Amino acid sequence: DVKVTQSSRYLVKRTGEKVFLECVQDMDHENMFWYRQDPGLGLRLIYFSYDVKMKEKGDIPEGYSVSREKKERFSLILESASTNQTSMYLCASRREGGRFEQYFGPGTRLTVT
Amino acid sequence: QKEVEQNSGPLSVPEGAIASLNCTYSDRGSQSFFWYRQYSGKSPELIMFIYSNGDKEDGRFTAQLNKASQYVSLLIRDSQPSDSATYLCAAYTGGGNKLTFGTGTQLKVEL
Repeated sequence: DVKVTQSSRYLVKRTGEKVFLECVQDMDHENMFWYRQDPGLGLRLIYFSYDVKMKEKGDIPEGYSVSREKKERFSLILESASTNQTSMYLCASRREGGRFEQYFGPGTRLTVT
Repeated sequence: QKEVEQNSGPLSVPEGAIASLNCTYSDRGSQSFFWYRQYSGKSPELIMFIYSNGDKEDGRFTAQLNKASQYVSLLIRDSQPSDSATYLCAAYTGGGNKLTFGTGTQLKVEL
């Protein structure tokens, strides 16, 4: 079974803090993704990576950065957390190619106060 | 027009009935389609994928694809209260590697 894990299920941070969210997958997938999900807005893609050290902006990259130093690990960084970044953050992975299923991690519920 | 569209619901069905969830897509080049189930507060879980026109069955779930009409549907037979969740439709769009999600349909199975 594909397994995607995320470092925290729940996280509470203060405004201005630097926040790291980590994601690890164990299926040797090339592609990894970070989404946020908010009520009424659906899934919104923040960043994705096709390969180690490669990254591409998604639909809402502002205020975020990412790092992929190893194939199995993809990190999302909030340089200076703000209250409007309070959300559910979902990591996902899949094989390269436009036909394969995508698997999600359990999500991190981040609250910024 | 959104690339992948779903009715937000809620769709209410009685226990034991067939639930029918629909999804339309705008990119005629889309070839691969997926259904995810998402319980409140949890992450999306893949339940079905379909690549070819016609029906694909897996237990109580049947995915249907009609490329000419550009729609995908998910049928859930013998609906149970545990099927109450939001169902997300997804399709590869733009001729490349982008998996586009609909905003989901909320299903409520009532006793």
